[in-house]
Amino acid sequence: EAAVTQSPRNKVTVTGGNVTLSCRQTNSHNYMYWYRQDTGHGLRLIHYSYGAGNLQIGDVPDGYKATRTTQEDFFLLLELASPSQTSLYFCASSVPGQNTEVFFGKGTRLTVV
Amino acid sequence: KTQVEQSPQSLVVRQGENCVLQCNYSVTPDNHLRWFKQDTGKGLVSLTVLVDQKDKTSNGRYSATLDKDAKHSTLHITATLLDDTATYICVVGDRGSALGRLHFGAGTQLIVIP
Repeated sequence: EAAVTQSPRNKVTVTGGNVTLSCRQTNSHNYMYWYRQDTGHGLRLIHYSYGAGNLQIGDVPDGYKATRTTQEDFFLLLELASPSQTSLYFCASSVPGQNTEVFFGKGTRLTVV
Repeated sequence: KTQVEQSPQSLVVRQGENCVLQCNYSVTPDNHLRWFKQDTGKGLVSLTVLVDQKDKTSNGRYSATLDKDAKHSTLHITATLLDDTATYICVVGDRGSALGRLHFGAGTQLIVIP
């Protein structure tokens, strides 16, 4: 079973604060994703990556940076956090292939006060 | 514009009853459709994937259908258990590979009561 581990699981920060969310997968998956989940919306793609050093812009990238330092590690950075970024963040990974399955972490709940 | 609509938004059933969750979408192309279960405070776990133009799958007490002509899918849960309490999310993939985008519904919150 593929494992995707997110840390921290919960985070509270102040407006204007600097936050880094971490994600690690240990299954040699090429693709990694960051999503946010808000009430009444489906998961929305923030950034994703095809491999170490690669970064692709998702559908809601404003206010977020991301970095894929290794095959295993994908970070989401909020350099000037705002209350609108209060959300549940999910990291996911997948492999290339037909009907490829996506494996999700357990989520990080971020609150910006 | 929301491309994946799920109904109902929430549903309460008694343990042992059956239920049906609906998913309508406008995603094009629609390569595959997957149903996920999301327990509170946990990640999404895949229940089943549907691929064919008219497809049916079964996974224990979960069964699902897909009609690509109607752009419609259903998830049936038979003999519900308290542990079925969760949010069920419909996801449409516009390609078969990881290069494609996944389009998520907002989910149906199912509550199973004793």
